[in-house]
Amino acid sequence: DQQVKQNSPSLSVQEGRISILNCDYTNSMFDYFLWYKKYPAEGPTFLISISSIKDKNEDGRFTVFLNKSAKHLSLHIVPSQPGDSAVYFCAASAGWGTDKLIFGTGTRLQVFP
Amino acid sequence: DARVTQTPRHKVTEMGQEVTMRCQPILGHNTVFWYRQTMMQGLELLAYFRNRAPLDDSGMPKDRFSAEMPDATLATLKIQPSEPRDSAVYFCASGPTGVDGYTFGSGTRLTVV
Repeated sequence: DQQVKQNSPSLSVQEGRISILNCDYTNSMFDYFLWYKKYPAEGPTFLISISSIKDKNEDGRFTVFLNKSAKHLSLHIVPSQPGDSAVYFCAASAGWGTDKLIFGTGTRLQVFP
Repeated sequence: DARVTQTPRHKVTEMGQEVTMRCQPILGHNTVFWYRQTMMQGLELLAYFRNRAPLDDSGMPKDRFSAEMPDATLATLKIQPSEPRDSAVYFCASGPTGVDGYTFGSGTRLTVV
């Protein structure tokens, strides 16, 4: 079963507007969440993370929001740029002492001019 | 700029053949992961090692897959015999202890015909 779900396989956004990527999880033991970005023919690269003790973390144009009661997190990119076009993976970690990351299926973001 | 090196980048093989994928983790990283990317499952964790000892290989089909770390500079993932359903991109990642700081390699794209 898919413990981390990204229900939108793709998203298209105009340059300068906000991109919102969503992620849902089912395991209440998850306590740390990350977003990775992946360009074609490259490996995923770390983008931003959030601990379950927070509900928001911001890094420049990227903000991650966590709603623990809904088991939902989202990544906001504002303003979106063409270079943001990539596949975005949501990932979750199940507690201190584990190195395992469980990834979602990814959302392909396209930012057009 | 430290990087995880994976070889080969591409592999096409016939069904039933043995396939070996190699990974050179970043020097000093004591945790090494193997992931597989498919359209349906996203990034699946196959196995991971800490200080060269296998910690979890529950995501790996045991009858045909095997993962080893002969030394700290080399991790291998072997499939024998290979099947068409094994066609995917296989990623290696390494990191220090904890879930931050993973670095992924560029992947091996495997096609089994």
